[in-house]
Amino acid sequence: QVQLVQSGAEVKKPGASVKVSCKASGYTFTSYYMHWVRQAPGQGLEWMGIINPTGGSTNYAQKFQGRVTMTRDTSTRTVYMELSNLRSEDTAVYYCARGSSDLTSYGLDVWGQGTTVTVSS
Amino acid sequence: EIVMTQSPATLSVSPGERATLSCRASQSVSSNLAWYQQKPGQSPRLLIYGASTRATGIPARFSGSGSGTEFTLTISSLQSEDFAVYYCQQYNNWPPRDITFGQGTRLEIK
Repeated sequence: QVQLVQSGAEVKKPGASVKVSCKASGYTFTSYYMHWVRQAPGQGLEWMGIINPTGGSTNYAQKFQGRVTMTRDTSTRTVYMELSNLRSEDTAVYYCARGSSDLTSYGLDVWGQGTTVTVSS
Repeated sequence: EIVMTQSPATLSVSPGERATLSCRASQSVSSNLAWYQQKPGQSPRLLIYGASTRATGIPARFSGSGSGTEFTLTISSLQSEDFAVYYCQQYNNWPPRDITFGQGTRLEIK
């Protein structure tokens, strides 16, 4: 079945970096965009950016420009999200989510289970 | 950035009744709007895309309407499993970029 499996929880110190992985299965990896969305404790959903697995092109939310890097490895069907210079406000659950490459059927229809990142000194 | 504003923040409705959730965009997003449901401890689930098209497997009691800047998610005859937080999301640019979510509406049992 179609699924996205993310890497495990992380605890990081302020100023460090974290790299979260998201492994896709059950569909053609290069036929869908991959998005990253985060959710701070008790808060709403916040879109971080998108990667096109076909060529690796990315678009990041302005808030994260300069701190986030999204990459992919087509051989392992895995996308990665790295966030640098972590601060306490980055404590959140980070989700990868699949998005259609067709505007007429667009929506984030498959989500990973989420990866909890805790930033604490 | 397109700001999405949802109302109300919390909605209390009895099982079996109808719930109407609103989402407003700060500028027109045409019909490029999706709705998601999230239950505690779970990942979000896509309900509606294109403002009014139900995603695969979504019950017919969920319906979406609107275009431009005003959108509505209606849940007719609420079931116990429908009590959750609902988010709207715009994707007005294509290929997707600068996506934004509303802050969410919590639907609780009255």
